[in-house]
Amino acid sequence: DIQMTQSPSSLSASVGDRVTITCRASQSVGNYLNWYQQKPGRAPKVLISIASSLQGGVPSRFSGSGSGTDFTLIISGLQPEDVATYYCQQSFITPLTFGGGTKVEIK
Amino acid sequence: EEQLVESGGGLVQPGGSLRLSCGASGFSFDDYAMHWVRQAPGKGLEWVSGINWNSGTMAYADSVKGRFIISRDKAKHSLYLQMNSLRPEDTALYYCVKDTGGSHLRNFDDWGQGTLVTVSS
Repeated sequence: DIQMTQSPSSLSASVGDRVTITCRASQSVGNYLNWYQQKPGRAPKVLISIASSLQGGVPSRFSGSGSGTDFTLIISGLQPEDVATYYCQQSFITPLTFGGGTKVEIK
Repeated sequence: EEQLVESGGGLVQPGGSLRLSCGASGFSFDDYAMHWVRQAPGKGLEWVSGINWNSGTMAYADSVKGRFIISRDKAKHSLYLQMNSLRPEDTALYYCVKDTGGSHLRNFDDWGQGTLVTVSS
């Protein structure tokens, strides 16, 4: 099975800060990497697919990059509504696997 | 509007069985692969199982293989998860999730609100 490792597990940043979350796969997944946002008490929502493709309706301050084993989610200009837990997920092969999540809070 | 509504969760004793259902509406159910994803209380997301559009491909997480069975009913626009030999570690909120495609099990598009399964004596 492909293991997905996210870092950090949590972070606290100020409004307007640039936030970087990394995700590493235990083997290459090409660009089959998705990012999800889960707000407290809500179901997850897809932000980015195929490593860098922003989903419709997602603010442009979110961006994704990477390929192979190393991926990054950037929030350029953190907003209060971005408080959530973020998960990466590889869609290269089953079993589909998620990273452990990164909890983002406002300082 | 696409909608997924889960049902069938509840309290069950270890070793027991439960069948989850998910009713789909607002999209062409027959065209899409579907999944079950779970989240234990206060924990992260875990993919449980997926089934492609024509039930020709089904896959399971190692943690549930041999105990859970995924199925779908075209006429009822419904997805199911038969859960047998339940363990306390199966306690979680179970989400029904629509894929972005039909043939391959890959991505999680629309999510239901989940149904809670509690395995405890």
